[in-house]
Amino acid sequence: DAGVTQSPTHLIKTRGQQVTLRCSPKSGHDTVSWYQQALGQGPQFIFQYYEEEERQRGNFPDRFSGHQFPNYSSELNVNALLLGDSALYLCASVSRGGGRPYEQYFGPGTRLTVT
Amino acid sequence: AQSVSQHNHHVILSEAASLELGCNYSYGGTVNLFWYVQYPGQHLQLLLKYFSGDPLVKGIKGFEAEFIKSKFSFNLRKPSVQWSDTAEYFCAVNSLPGYSSASKIIFGSGTRLSIRP
Repeated sequence: DAGVTQSPTHLIKTRGQQVTLRCSPKSGHDTVSWYQQALGQGPQFIFQYYEEEERQRGNFPDRFSGHQFPNYSSELNVNALLLGDSALYLCASVSRGGGRPYEQYFGPGTRLTVT
Repeated sequence: AQSVSQHNHHVILSEAASLELGCNYSYGGTVNLFWYVQYPGQHLQLLLKYFSGDPLVKGIKGFEAEFIKSKFSFNLRKPSVQWSDTAEYFCAVNSLPGYSSASKIIFGSGTRLSIRP
């Protein structure tokens, strides 16, 4: 059973460009969250998708947008890249069903470098 | 707003020493608490979690943590560390009525643990 997978592993972009990151949740999971982890800091919540809708959002500008597909996979899009967007982007998945608490599983992340 | 404070930014220990990493959170309601570890070059892994019940929780690799509700604390402990415990450790919390385990996770800033062989 594959865990959470993310692609690409590494990415280098130029300021002003746009980027799309992808995430496939763990089998059986229907909820996907995205986090940004800057160097030397803890991950910060960007947003969460469930049933193809954004359900929660952290303190990130509208340049950060996302999408969830019917197969539960998700994309994170960042427009007009800034140097400060350089970070490790983590995807986490969990199942909302069942009524009991479950742990969220994290993927390996995508390392984005903006030059 | 919810927040998580980790008091130690960098801890250096010798092998076989005991470890305690402090964590405090600010939220008055029901919470789920976590400790995650990030080994060099690896992805975030769950060490242990507290959802309810016994406030002393045991995790992988000999780690344990104690939830003290009155102190809003969830400190991580290990009686004897090994060189392989060198990593970044993150305390985290989430809470939301209903699907609480699926809600956003708030992380602390992390504690870097360095173990001298």
